[in-house]
Amino acid sequence: QQQVKQSPQSLIVQKGGISIINCAYENTAFDYFPWYQQFPGKGPALLIAIRPDVSEKKEGRFTISFNKSAKQFSLHIMDSQPGDSATYFCAARPTGTASKLTFGTGTRLQVTL
Amino acid sequence: DAGVTQSPTHLIKTRGQQVTLRCSPKSGHDTVSWYQQALGQGPQFIFQYYEEEERQRGNFPDRFSGHQFPNYSSELNVNALLLGDSALYLCASSLTTGQPQHFGDGTRLSIL
Repeated sequence: QQQVKQSPQSLIVQKGGISIINCAYENTAFDYFPWYQQFPGKGPALLIAIRPDVSEKKEGRFTISFNKSAKQFSLHIMDSQPGDSATYFCAARPTGTASKLTFGTGTRLQVTL
Repeated sequence: DAGVTQSPTHLIKTRGQQVTLRCSPKSGHDTVSWYQQALGQGPQFIFQYYEEEERQRGNFPDRFSGHQFPNYSSELNVNALLLGDSALYLCASSLTTGQPQHFGDGTRLSIL
């Protein structure tokens, strides 16, 4: 049962452009929303995370925007670089479950020269 | 500082067999979670171990079982393997439950 819907499935962005990946959730009892980056042959690496009491969080070129009323959150990658080419997963953690992350289906990002 | 390490990296089994996958958490971490990642999909939570006990479980059958040792390392066991069990199995560790999880590079399990 899909509880976190992620879009788009794939994304092509030119170098220097902005990459935007969106996620929507159905269960309101989530209290932690991380984004993971995964390169081929590697495990997911934590990129940035946000809690629902904050509307935006920025770390370097990566920004999470969170809209609690719409149950949506998005990842913005500014000044996208070829090295950012990877698969990105949003996730959500149900309140009280401590570690049980529910992942989206992933977005394959390709940054072209 | 070693991160999460998993072994083996690749494994080929046949239907009906049993398999054991191993995970050593990141130094200082005491909580281990296991995930299954099918090709082209996001990881799915199998279960979490803390203080040598299974604390949470996802929607996986009893064929999937685990263990955590006093040194916090963990094993995932899968019995009566099915073709659908072919996937990347990821181990994630954290400093106590609720803290950010760090993933290993996984074990690629192929069932013939």
